[in-house]
Amino acid sequence: DVQMTQSPSSVSASVGDTVIITCRASQDISTWVAWYQQKPGKAPNLLIYSASSVQSGVPSRFSGSGSGTDFSLTISSLQPEDFATYYCQEANTFPPTFGQGTKVEVK
Amino acid sequence: QITLKESGPTLVKPTQTLTLTCTFSGFSLSSGGVAVAWIRQPPGKALEWLALIYWNDDKHYSSSLKSRLTITKDTSKNQVVLTLTNMDPVDTATYYCVRGPWYYADWGQGILVTVSS
Repeated sequence: DVQMTQSPSSVSASVGDTVIITCRASQDISTWVAWYQQKPGKAPNLLIYSASSVQSGVPSRFSGSGSGTDFSLTISSLQPEDFATYYCQEANTFPPTFGQGTKVEVK
Repeated sequence: QITLKESGPTLVKPTQTLTLTCTFSGFSLSSGGVAVAWIRQPPGKALEWLALIYWNDDKHYSSSLKSRLTITKDTSKNQVVLTLTNMDPVDTATYYCVRGPWYYADWGQGILVTVSS
């Protein structure tokens, strides 16, 4: 199975900040990566797929980049509704695997 | 509009078998390329992918849970069923069904299953 190592596990930030979350894959997965946002008590919401494609309806302050083994999710100009937990997911081989999550907290 | 909804018991005893049903609408599992998967999340922990079934009945399972999992579909009822045998307290989690196969834009609301005697 591909291992996805996500960092940091948590980050404290203020409204207006830029937050960068990274994921490292244990093997080359090209651009087969997705990013999700999850709020307490809710199902995850797909933000980014294929490493850099923004899902329909997702604000443009969310962007993704990377290929091979290193990937990142950038949240520009953090908004109050962005405080949540974020997960990466590899989609290269079965079974797909998720990172351990990054909680974006209020500073 | 695509919807998915999980149903099944919310409390099971250790060693019992869990059977969950995903009932969906807005798409058909008889259409090429379509798949439904199950993902779970223990309280306060990360997401864990469990199993997936394709329109052509091709199936894939979690490496660590493969021996305990079975996924099946009933295309006529728009349902996918997941069974997990020999339940243990560590299997306590919210179980989600999702439309696949690779990127999960459509999720059910989830069902919290607690394993306790």
